[in-house]
Amino acid sequence: SQTIHQWPATLVQPVGSPLSLECTVEGTSNPNLYWYRQAAGRGLQLLFYSVGIGQISSEVPQNLSASRPQDRQFILSSKKLLLSDSGFYLCAWSVSWAGGEKLFFGSGTQLSVL
Amino acid sequence: ELKVEQNPLFLSMQEGKNYTIYCNYSTTSDRLYWYRQDPGKSLESLFVLLSNGAVKQEGRLMASLDTKARLSTLHITAAVHDLSATYFCAVDMKAGGTSYGKLTFGQGTILTVHP
Repeated sequence: SQTIHQWPATLVQPVGSPLSLECTVEGTSNPNLYWYRQAAGRGLQLLFYSVGIGQISSEVPQNLSASRPQDRQFILSSKKLLLSDSGFYLCAWSVSWAGGEKLFFGSGTQLSVL
Repeated sequence: ELKVEQNPLFLSMQEGKNYTIYCNYSTTSDRLYWYRQDPGKSLESLFVLLSNGAVKQEGRLMASLDTKARLSTLHITAAVHDLSATYFCAVDMKAGGTSYGKLTFGQGTILTVHP
Protein backbone atom coordinates (compact mmCIF):
# COMPACT_ATOMS: atom_id res chain seq x y z
CA SER A 1 0.00 0.00 0.00
CA GLN A 2 1.03 3.58 -0.51
CA THR A 3 2.22 5.79 2.34
CA ILE A 4 3.37 9.37 2.52
CA HIS A 5 5.91 10.61 5.04
CA GLN A 6 6.37 14.23 5.95
CA TRP A 7 8.77 15.75 8.47
CA PRO A 8 9.30 17.43 10.78
CA ALA A 9 5.89 17.57 12.44
CA THR A 10 6.61 20.87 14.19
CA LEU A 11 9.17 23.55 13.46
CA VAL A 12 9.93 26.89 15.06
CA GLN A 13 12.28 29.09 13.09
CA PRO A 14 13.48 32.69 13.43
CA VAL A 15 12.76 35.23 10.73
CA GLY A 16 15.48 35.19 8.09
CA SER A 17 16.51 31.59 8.67
CA PRO A 18 16.39 28.93 5.92
CA LEU A 19 13.75 26.22 5.62
CA SER A 20 13.70 22.69 4.32
CA LEU A 21 10.66 20.44 4.61
CA GLU A 22 10.78 16.98 3.13
CA CYS A 23 8.12 14.63 1.88
CA THR A 24 8.51 11.10 0.53
CA VAL A 25 6.01 8.68 -0.91
CA GLU A 26 6.27 4.92 -0.80
CA GLY A 27 4.46 2.22 -2.70
CA THR A 28 3.86 4.05 -5.95
CA SER A 29 5.87 5.34 -8.86
CA ASN A 30 5.70 8.61 -10.77
CA PRO A 31 3.12 10.17 -8.47
CA ASN A 32 1.89 13.73 -8.83
CA LEU A 33 3.14 15.61 -5.77
CA TYR A 34 1.86 18.78 -4.12
CA TRP A 35 2.61 21.27 -1.39
CA TYR A 36 -0.37 22.97 0.20
CA ARG A 37 -0.38 25.57 2.98
CA GLN A 38 -3.07 26.16 5.53
CA ALA A 39 -2.90 29.52 7.25
CA ALA A 40 -4.60 30.26 10.56
CA GLY A 41 -6.38 26.88 10.62
CA ARG A 42 -8.57 27.69 7.66
CA GLY A 43 -8.67 26.80 3.97
CA LEU A 44 -5.80 25.27 2.08
CA GLN A 45 -3.89 26.95 -0.71
CA LEU A 46 -1.95 25.09 -3.37
CA LEU A 47 1.67 26.28 -3.45
CA PHE A 48 3.45 23.89 -5.82
CA TYR A 49 2.79 20.77 -7.77
CA SER A 50 5.01 18.38 -9.68
CA VAL A 51 4.23 15.80 -12.32
CA GLY A 52 7.77 14.41 -12.53
CA ILE A 53 11.41 14.71 -11.48
CA GLY A 54 12.62 18.26 -11.86
CA GLN A 55 9.18 19.48 -13.00
CA ILE A 56 7.79 22.07 -10.63
CA SER A 57 4.88 24.43 -11.14
CA SER A 58 4.22 27.30 -8.78
CA GLU A 59 0.70 28.44 -8.17
CA VAL A 60 1.32 31.62 -6.21
CA PRO A 61 4.28 34.01 -6.04
CA GLN A 62 6.01 33.70 -2.71
CA ASN A 63 9.13 33.38 -0.67
CA LEU A 64 9.22 29.61 -1.07
CA SER A 65 10.55 27.17 -3.64
CA ALA A 66 10.11 23.47 -4.27
CA SER A 67 12.29 20.75 -5.75
CA ARG A 68 11.83 17.16 -6.75
CA PRO A 69 15.25 15.53 -6.88
CA GLN A 70 13.86 11.99 -6.97
CA ASP A 71 10.65 10.44 -8.21
CA ARG A 72 9.10 10.08 -4.77
CA GLN A 73 10.74 12.97 -2.94
CA PHE A 74 9.40 16.50 -2.76
CA ILE A 75 11.14 19.30 -0.86
CA LEU A 76 9.87 22.72 0.16
CA SER A 77 12.53 25.34 0.82
CA SER A 78 13.16 28.94 1.64
CA LYS A 79 16.41 30.87 1.85
CA LYS A 80 15.02 33.43 4.31
CA LEU A 81 11.78 32.90 6.17
CA LEU A 82 9.25 35.66 6.70
CA LEU A 83 6.68 35.95 9.46
CA SER A 84 3.98 35.41 6.85
CA ASP A 85 5.42 31.98 6.04
CA SER A 86 3.97 30.61 9.28
CA GLY A 87 1.30 27.99 8.74
CA PHE A 88 0.49 24.33 8.43
CA TYR A 89 2.19 22.78 5.41
CA LEU A 90 0.79 19.67 3.85
CA CYS A 91 2.42 17.45 1.28
CA ALA A 92 0.10 15.37 -0.88
CA TRP A 93 0.24 12.87 -3.69
CA SER A 94 -2.44 11.92 -6.12
CA VAL A 95 -3.56 8.98 -8.15
CA SER A 96 -5.77 9.07 -11.21
CA TRP A 97 -8.92 7.02 -11.05
CA ALA A 98 -12.28 6.93 -12.83
CA GLY A 99 -11.62 10.25 -14.54
CA GLY A 100 -10.46 12.13 -11.48
CA GLU A 101 -7.53 12.70 -9.18
CA LYS A 102 -7.71 11.50 -5.59
CA LEU A 103 -5.46 13.36 -3.19
CA PHE A 104 -3.78 11.77 -0.17
CA PHE A 105 -2.28 14.10 2.39
CA GLY A 106 0.71 13.71 4.65
CA SER A 107 0.53 14.40 8.37
CA GLY A 108 1.61 18.02 7.98
CA THR A 109 4.27 20.34 9.40
CA GLN A 110 3.27 23.16 11.71
CA LEU A 111 5.74 25.98 10.99
CA SER A 112 6.00 28.96 13.31
CA VAL A 113 8.24 31.81 12.22
CA LEU A 114 9.13 34.13 15.11
CA GLU B 1 -10.54 32.61 -10.80
CA LEU B 2 -12.31 29.72 -9.15
CA LYS B 3 -13.87 30.58 -5.78
CA VAL B 4 -15.30 28.09 -3.35
CA GLU B 5 -17.49 29.24 -0.49
CA GLN B 6 -18.82 27.20 2.38
CA ASN B 7 -21.54 28.02 4.81
CA PRO B 8 -21.91 28.07 7.62
CA LEU B 9 -18.32 28.58 8.75
CA PHE B 10 -19.19 27.60 12.31
CA LEU B 11 -21.81 25.05 13.26
CA SER B 12 -22.75 24.06 16.76
CA MET B 13 -25.09 21.09 16.88
CA GLN B 14 -26.79 19.03 19.49
CA GLU B 15 -26.33 15.30 19.37
CA GLY B 16 -29.13 13.61 17.47
CA LYS B 17 -29.94 16.60 15.27
CA ASN B 18 -29.65 16.93 11.51
CA TYR B 19 -27.94 19.68 9.59
CA THR B 20 -26.50 20.55 6.18
CA ILE B 21 -23.27 22.24 5.14
CA TYR B 22 -23.34 24.01 1.80
CA CYS B 23 -20.54 24.45 -0.70
CA ASN B 24 -20.91 26.85 -3.64
CA TYR B 25 -18.32 27.28 -6.37
CA SER B 26 -17.98 29.91 -9.03
CA THR B 27 -17.01 28.17 -12.27
CA THR B 28 -17.85 24.99 -14.07
CA SER B 29 -16.35 21.87 -12.58
CA ASP B 30 -17.43 18.28 -12.51
CA ARG B 31 -15.36 17.08 -9.57
CA LEU B 32 -15.95 17.98 -5.98
CA TYR B 33 -14.30 16.61 -2.86
CA TRP B 34 -15.16 16.61 0.83
CA TYR B 35 -12.47 16.32 3.48
CA ARG B 36 -12.46 16.12 7.24
CA GLN B 37 -9.74 17.59 9.45
CA ASP B 38 -9.33 17.02 13.18
CA PRO B 39 -7.48 19.73 15.16
CA GLY B 40 -3.77 19.74 14.38
CA LYS B 41 -4.15 16.80 12.03
CA SER B 42 -4.01 16.18 8.33
CA LEU B 43 -6.96 15.90 5.96
CA GLU B 44 -8.97 12.74 5.54
CA SER B 45 -10.84 12.16 2.30
CA LEU B 46 -14.56 11.64 2.82
CA PHE B 47 -16.20 11.79 -0.59
CA VAL B 48 -15.37 12.35 -4.23
CA LEU B 49 -18.32 13.45 -6.37
CA LEU B 50 -17.78 13.16 -10.08
CA SER B 51 -21.02 13.93 -11.83
CA ASN B 52 -24.21 15.93 -11.65
CA GLY B 53 -26.67 14.32 -9.28
CA ALA B 54 -24.01 12.20 -7.59
CA VAL B 55 -24.91 11.18 -4.06
CA LYS B 56 -22.64 9.31 -1.68
CA GLN B 57 -23.24 8.19 1.87
CA GLU B 58 -20.96 6.97 4.60
CA GLY B 59 -22.44 6.44 8.02
CA ARG B 60 -24.15 9.61 9.21
CA LEU B 61 -22.75 11.73 6.36
CA MET B 62 -24.25 12.11 2.92
CA ALA B 63 -22.85 14.29 0.14
CA SER B 64 -24.49 15.39 -3.07
CA LEU B 65 -23.52 17.40 -6.12
CA ASP B 66 -25.57 19.66 -8.40
CA THR B 67 -23.21 20.87 -11.13
CA LYS B 68 -25.86 23.06 -12.74
CA ALA B 69 -26.36 25.00 -9.52
CA ARG B 70 -22.62 24.70 -8.72
CA LEU B 71 -23.60 23.45 -5.30
CA SER B 72 -22.65 20.54 -3.11
CA THR B 73 -24.16 19.65 0.23
CA LEU B 74 -22.89 17.59 3.13
CA HIS B 75 -25.81 16.38 5.21
CA ILE B 76 -25.32 15.21 8.76
CA THR B 77 -27.91 12.86 10.19
CA ALA B 78 -28.37 12.32 13.93
CA ALA B 79 -25.07 13.95 14.83
CA VAL B 80 -22.74 12.37 17.37
CA HIS B 81 -19.77 13.90 19.20
CA ASP B 82 -17.26 11.98 17.07
CA LEU B 83 -18.30 14.04 14.06
CA SER B 84 -16.83 17.19 15.62
CA ALA B 85 -14.14 18.39 13.20
CA THR B 86 -13.55 20.87 10.40
CA TYR B 87 -15.07 19.92 7.06
CA PHE B 88 -13.73 21.21 3.77
CA CYS B 89 -15.09 21.03 0.29
CA ALA B 90 -12.69 21.37 -2.61
CA VAL B 91 -13.15 21.74 -6.34
CA ASP B 92 -10.89 20.84 -9.22
CA MET B 93 -9.55 23.87 -11.00
CA LYS B 94 -10.30 22.36 -14.37
CA ALA B 95 -13.56 21.03 -15.74
CA GLY B 96 -12.86 17.75 -17.48
CA GLY B 97 -9.43 16.89 -18.80
CA THR B 98 -6.55 16.39 -16.43
CA SER B 99 -6.62 18.39 -13.27
CA TYR B 100 -3.48 17.08 -11.56
CA GLY B 101 -5.16 17.40 -8.19
CA LYS B 102 -5.02 21.19 -8.20
CA LEU B 103 -7.83 21.80 -5.80
CA THR B 104 -9.36 25.04 -4.62
CA PHE B 105 -10.61 24.65 -1.08
CA GLY B 106 -13.47 26.29 0.74
CA GLN B 107 -12.81 28.08 4.01
CA GLY B 108 -13.93 25.10 6.03
CA THR B 109 -16.84 24.56 8.41
CA ILE B 110 -15.96 24.03 12.05
CA LEU B 111 -18.50 21.59 13.41
CA THR B 112 -18.99 21.09 17.12
CA VAL B 113 -21.44 18.47 18.33
CA HIS B 114 -22.40 18.73 21.99
CA PRO B 115 -24.73 16.72 24.22
